[in-house]
Amino acid sequence: EAQVTQNPRYLITVTGKKLTVTCSQNMNHEYMSWYRQDPGLGLRQIYYSMNVEVTDKGDVPEGYKVSRKEKRNFPLILESPSPNQTSLYFCASRRTGPPTGEQYFGPGTRLTVT
Amino acid sequence: GEDVEQSLFLSVREGDSSVINCTYTDSSSTYLYWYKQEPGAGLQLLTYIFSNMDMKQDQRLTVLLNKKDKHLSLRIADTQTGDSAIYFCAETLGGGGYNKLIFGAGTRLAVHP
Repeated sequence: EAQVTQNPRYLITVTGKKLTVTCSQNMNHEYMSWYRQDPGLGLRQIYYSMNVEVTDKGDVPEGYKVSRKEKRNFPLILESPSPNQTSLYFCASRRTGPPTGEQYFGPGTRLTVT
Repeated sequence: GEDVEQSLFLSVREGDSSVINCTYTDSSSTYLYWYKQEPGAGLQLLTYIFSNMDMKQDQRLTVLLNKKDKHLSLRIADTQTGDSAIYFCAETLGGGGYNKLIFGAGTRLAVHP
């Protein structure tokens, strides 16, 4: 089954404790992306990757890091989480060709930073 | 600037039609999208329309595009309780192999008996 998986689904942590949210897709997609969803704001892009070892900032990259060492995986790293990073996070992937807005989303990771 | 706007809430009776509206800013958007988010789940692409089309119909879903007014709508006929979800309008911006997907804030559709 074609899918994007994320782990963990729920995470409660404390300020400053490094964490990693994993994302994996089995569709051989070149493009992967991370979004955060906040009430009334829709989805905002954090980082994206056009292919292995190619990553770039989205609209809200501050406080986040990513890496793309393998095509299927795109982990999101919070080196020193803060309460304003409490949010619902989604990983997504898509193929290169059009329509480029046809993205496949993971189930989401709800992060709470206290 | 980049902005996709939609109303936040819509309540309809089961069996009625639902119409969710959206306005977008970039007249050069090639495709426009509707995504659906069910409770506790990720977003799922519902349908999309190419910018040279005025209308697209897919079973109970009808998408209308007014390029002049930059207005997109999603009509759901015979709305069912299973249609209760958040619906996101989105457009793609950019080019050269990278197209950024810009989402609206989402419209929460509540279907009541």
